[in-house]
Amino acid sequence: AQSVAQPEDQVNVAEGNPLTVKCTYSVSGNPYLFWYVQYPNRGLQFLLKYITGDNLVKGSYGFEAEFNKSQTSFHLKKPSALVSDSALYFCAVRPFNSGNTPLVFGKGTRLSVIA
Amino acid sequence: GAGVSQSPSNKVTEKGKDVELRCDPISGHTALYWYRQSLGQGLEFLIYFQGNSAPDKSGLPSDRFSAERTGGSVSTLTIQRTQQEDSAVYLCASRAQGSYEQYFGPGTRLTVT
Repeated sequence: AQSVAQPEDQVNVAEGNPLTVKCTYSVSGNPYLFWYVQYPNRGLQFLLKYITGDNLVKGSYGFEAEFNKSQTSFHLKKPSALVSDSALYFCAVRPFNSGNTPLVFGKGTRLSVIA
Repeated sequence: GAGVSQSPSNKVTEKGKDVELRCDPISGHTALYWYRQSLGQGLEFLIYFQGNSAPDKSGLPSDRFSAERTGGSVSTLTIQRTQQEDSAVYLCASRAQGSYEQYFGPGTRLTVT
């Protein structure tokens, strides 16, 4: 069965500094990988995805993520954090060519960007 | 265009009562998913619908939970005889045929007292 681990419940970073939110996964075969962000009292917003191709994918709001097959990781990154990036971030996985199966989510990482 | 909408946004109910939560997916999206987000937890899959196929109910936590999708569009999640542990945010998502990402609604916050 597939699973996602987000080892940090909370990440604190100063505004302007680079940020990384970690994600590792376990899945049979090749994965589809996703990052979503949740602002207070809002639903989840799609940030970016890795399906195939370049290991570095770029998404919304200046975020990017790097797929590392050997380390089974898909860490989310941003070169310069903004206070407005403070939110709850979820990593999710679905097996390649698995049809319509639902996403499996990590427990989320709360990012706090301090001015 | 319009996103996924859910109603009500908040629902407070007494233990033992039944509740219905509604989801309007993005027009034309063939797949619809229900998830539950409990405090401090990730998202827990409940059920999904794809076109006219039989729904995948493998995530429903008990037989008190059921869902239907009428006309391939609107979906209703019903929880019978609610319990306090049912308190959570219930999120609906839809996905277009051939695409990979799911689009989420704002959720319904259910509180069982």
